Amino acid sequence: QKEVEQNSGPLSVPEGAIASLNCTYSDRGSQSFFWYRQYSGKSPELIMFIYSNGDKEDGRFTAQLNKASQYVSLLIRDSQPSDSATYLCAASGGGADGLTFGKGTHLIIQP
Amino acid sequence: DAGVIQSPRHEVTEMGQEVTLRCKPISGHNSLFWYRQTMMRGLELLIYFNNNVPIDDSGMPEDRFSAKMPNASFSTLKIQPSEPRDSAVYFCASSLDRENEQFFGPGTRLTVL
Repeated sequence: QKEVEQNSGPLSVPEGAIASLNCTYSDRGSQSFFWYRQYSGKSPELIMFIYSNGDKEDGRFTAQLNKASQYVSLLIRDSQPSDSATYLCAASGGGADGLTFGKGTHLIIQP
Repeated sequence: DAGVIQSPRHEVTEMGQEVTLRCKPISGHNSLFWYRQTMMRGLELLIYFNNNVPIDDSGMPEDRFSAKMPNASFSTLKIQPSEPRDSAVYFCASSLDRENEQFFGPGTRLTVL
């Protein structure tokens, strides 16, 4: 069964520091990976997606993928209190259709 | 673009009643997904449709749950009869195809008393 694992947290990071969020997946056939941010009481919103090994940068966000280790990460530079949310990792492709979501990491940015 | 639209946003009902949740996907998207989110279980996929056809309903918890997509712009998720353990936030999401990024609606918060 396809699984995506995340540390539930909470992960507490001081304002201005780098927040590092990690995710592992079980299905080696997974091809695409997505990071969603979910504020309390709101719906998940897509932050970034990554298909290829290596790094992908978008503003303060960097997604990293290592298919050999089945590991995905999200780095948030210059963390702001508004980054405080739950971050969901998702994988697609491989043996199952659609996206498989992890349970999310609760991130707290301390002012 | 209006994004994915869901209604109602909140629903409070009594055990045994029928509940119908509605979803309008983003125009042009071919895949539609229904999820349920709880603190304990996280975000669970219930069912998804591709080109209006149900592809995988293995996540539907029981026969009390049913979903339809009569056309490309409308889907319903029905629970009959509802039970207190069905209380959760139900999200609808759509995507261009089944493995692309999904865009979520605002969700329906269901409370079954």
